[in-house]
Amino acid sequence: DAGVTQSPTHLIKTRGQQVTLRCSPKSGHDTVSWYQQALGQGPQFIFQYYEEEERQRGNFPDRFSGHQFPNYSSELNVNALLLGDSALYLCASSLEKGARTEAFFGQGTRLTVV
Amino acid sequence: KNEVEQSPQNLTAQEGEFITINCSYSVGISALHWLQQHPGGGIVSLFMLSSGKKKHGRLIATINIQEKHSSLHITASHPRDSAVYICAVPRSNFGNEKLTFGTGTRLTIIP
Repeated sequence: DAGVTQSPTHLIKTRGQQVTLRCSPKSGHDTVSWYQQALGQGPQFIFQYYEEEERQRGNFPDRFSGHQFPNYSSELNVNALLLGDSALYLCASSLEKGARTEAFFGQGTRLTVV
Repeated sequence: KNEVEQSPQNLTAQEGEFITINCSYSVGISALHWLQQHPGGGIVSLFMLSSGKKKHGRLIATINIQEKHSSLHITASHPRDSAVYICAVPRSNFGNEKLTFGTGTRLTIIP
């Protein structure tokens, strides 16, 4: 079992560009959550996807959007990148059925906006 | 006041010492997560607990739901335990709802 896999691991983009980050959940998991972790800070919740729909959203602008595919994998898209979007983006997967399942995290994608 | 607070923020100890990291939260929860983050970023889930105590190897986690407090203990600490330890709670009574994270405790174990 590969666990949660994220790609790419590192990415450098220019201000104003768009970026797509990818996440494959742990086998058997159907829920994917995305978090942004700025340097020296704790992760902040961006949004969560379940059954291919955005179920919850944190305090992030509409420039942050996502998608979940039928195989439960997910993408995070960020448009019109700002320098402040530089962060580690973490994906966590869990299983909806059964209210108390552990969340498994990927290694993250480190995005640098220059 | 943050909804999830951890103490201490930084902890340096000698190899072999018993380590305690504390987490207090102000929201009602169904379960609490303890996570470990190494330099480079990847997060590993250590425990998810909703009552009592859990033990994995040298790690022990306890939670007191009434007092809204949890502790993570490391026995016989080792330099490889050096990492940031984070507690996180879901924002509702459903375990898979969005997690709110504590600020983390940076643990350094000196050989």
